[in-house]
Amino acid sequence: DSGVTQTPKHLITATGQRVTLRCSPRSGDLSVYWYQQSLDQGLQFLIQYYNGEERAKGNILERFSAQQFPDLHSELNLSSLELGDSALYFCASSGREGSDQPQHFGDGTRLSIL
Amino acid sequence: EDQVTQSPEALRLQEGESSSLNCSYTVSGLRGLFWYRQDPGKGPEFLFTLYSAGEEKEKERLKATLTKKESFLHITAPKPEDSATYLCAVQAPGNQFYFGTGTSLTVIP
Repeated sequence: DSGVTQTPKHLITATGQRVTLRCSPRSGDLSVYWYQQSLDQGLQFLIQYYNGEERAKGNILERFSAQQFPDLHSELNLSSLELGDSALYFCASSGREGSDQPQHFGDGTRLSIL
Repeated sequence: EDQVTQSPEALRLQEGESSSLNCSYTVSGLRGLFWYRQDPGKGPEFLFTLYSAGEEKEKERLKATLTKKESFLHITAPKPEDSATYLCAVQAPGNQFYFGTGTSLTVIP
């Protein structure tokens, strides 16, 4: 058990809808990262937050947004959903921003768009 | 363009048959290279971090090495429980993270 909790585990919705994925980092971790994993691609880095502030942005679509709250949990909001957004979405956390801090991953949210 | 390539895509080994997985990268200004293990239905599990060419890290039957443009994950005398997908990731300047698509390892008893 990595200590990172993601909810829900599965989510099924339709095109055009909006969903929110939630992540609780390991106790004491300040950094949260979001990734998308599709069948034909590796993990794609979306965005990083550190102690409530956005720190780095990867290949995140404009339809997607995220935030980190004062209690350090994070939410990833996906709107105007398209079939191609079907994927596994992972959250990871680490203690500090430095590269000497490994990321610990949750078990993901599987999003299916019908 | 920053890129991480892993090979082979899939590898089948007999129990006890040692081998190596490769991760090559084109990232400039590498801040760190990470190896993860991912089991079906689970998130990646951290194995190693390497920072500079020549560095090596070991854990049980696994040993990771780093050169200027690639990293190897050596698996010595693997067991069936080592079967998993092994992911390589690099951290570039600006806190960007790039993952390879992984090597799916199957160890046959």
